[in-house]
Amino acid sequence: AQKVTQAQTEISVVEKEDVTLDCVYETRDTTYYLFWYKQPPSGELVFLIRRNSFDEQNEISGRYSWNFQKSTSSFNFTITASQVVDSAVYFCALSEARDYKLSFGAGTTVTVRA
Amino acid sequence: GAGVSQSPSNKVTEKGKDVELRCDPISGHTALYWYRQRLGQGLEFLIYFQGNSAPDKSGLPSDRFSAERTGESVSTLTIQRTQQEDSAVYLCASSLRGQHSYGYTFGSGTRLTVV
Repeated sequence: AQKVTQAQTEISVVEKEDVTLDCVYETRDTTYYLFWYKQPPSGELVFLIRRNSFDEQNEISGRYSWNFQKSTSSFNFTITASQVVDSAVYFCALSEARDYKLSFGAGTTVTVRA
Repeated sequence: GAGVSQSPSNKVTEKGKDVELRCDPISGHTALYWYRQRLGQGLEFLIYFQGNSAPDKSGLPSDRFSAERTGESVSTLTIQRTQQEDSAVYLCASSLRGQHSYGYTFGSGTRLTVV
């Protein structure tokens, strides 16, 4: 069984603050993929990152960074120096290698206030 | 097209009526997925198409739900005798292949409201 837990339902920050979104997953497979998606008010899901279970290197892309720790089954996402345009719902998702379905967490709503 | 297109963007229907939701995937994408997103929740998998065959229909919540796909293009999700619990955003995604090495691209969804 797959399960993705995003413990934070809502986070509100002031512009330029950093914000970290937690994601904890469960899987019995050794090969799996983890994703983060952004869903702005327009509703479309925007792909942010995909990591496979064998690559634990942390990644930085501009103001976004991801911390993957297999030991704690976590794949956390940090937005540095947040901006109003970062306001959205962020979803963490998991897929096992033999599967094509994505299992999504419930999402974290991030509100960045000017 | 340049992205995944879904229509209508919004649909309000009366309980008991049938509805059809349409998805136009990215040209050349052989894999197509339907997901449902209830208010305040994550996405639930409904069905997966590889070409025009559906190897996985396991997520369809009841026999009132069905989907078909014409070749490697348009897909239609049909909900018969709609119920209020069917109210949700229905999202479609496509990918070049049904594998993780190819990214999924999602459409903007159809917001269905059953009154």
